[in-house]
Amino acid sequence: GAGVSQSPSNKVTEKGKDVELRCDPISGHTALYWYRQRLGQGLEFLIYFQGNSAPDKSGLPSDRFSAERTGESVSTLTIQRTQQEDSAVYLCASSFTGAYNEQFFGPGTRLTVL
Amino acid sequence: ELKVEQNPLFLSMQEGKNYTIYCNYSTTSDRLYWYRQDPGKSLESLFVLLSNGAVKQEGRLMASLDTKARLSTLHITAAVHDLSATYFCAVAPFGNEKLTFGTGTRLTIIP
Repeated sequence: GAGVSQSPSNKVTEKGKDVELRCDPISGHTALYWYRQRLGQGLEFLIYFQGNSAPDKSGLPSDRFSAERTGESVSTLTIQRTQQEDSAVYLCASSFTGAYNEQFFGPGTRLTVL
Repeated sequence: ELKVEQNPLFLSMQEGKNYTIYCNYSTTSDRLYWYRQDPGKSLESLFVLLSNGAVKQEGRLMASLDTKARLSTLHITAAVHDLSATYFCAVAPFGNEKLTFGTGTRLTIIP
């Protein structure tokens, strides 16, 4: 596609439920990143994929968070047993391989946990 | 741990004026990025700075990088209203894919 797409754009869930957030990167981009942005704050790195492997998961805040990527394309971020502090915008970005390559961001998924 | 600080956090300025946003980071890095974010929107890439002394300009915005001082600046010339947004710098350590973002500078241009 023309850009990074994410779905859903908005998700409201009840505390304790599981949610899945999807990211479709730009075609041909082998690197994919997940970030979290709390209201009025900067972005926090969550996880990075190179192909289907995740060499850096250091930003995942707890074992309730997991992510996978298949076909060197779509990625899913799963949050189990959601808590109110998980409320944030979750942003996905993709880039070509190589640390110098610019990351292009998707529109984000706004998650609200009631 | 890499820390990235921006200042000011908030900036109101009149149209036509010049100003500079500063981005300091705590460890050596080989690249720095500037992004723009409009309210409720995602991030738009503005500049990628890859070497000491790099300077890039686009319209009324100019970014520079001093790797020895671990400092980047984003200079705004003759501000116009449509530059109102939040501006983020982001830094990655050598050979590392992970970006660490600054807290952002919320810029408001007043007519």
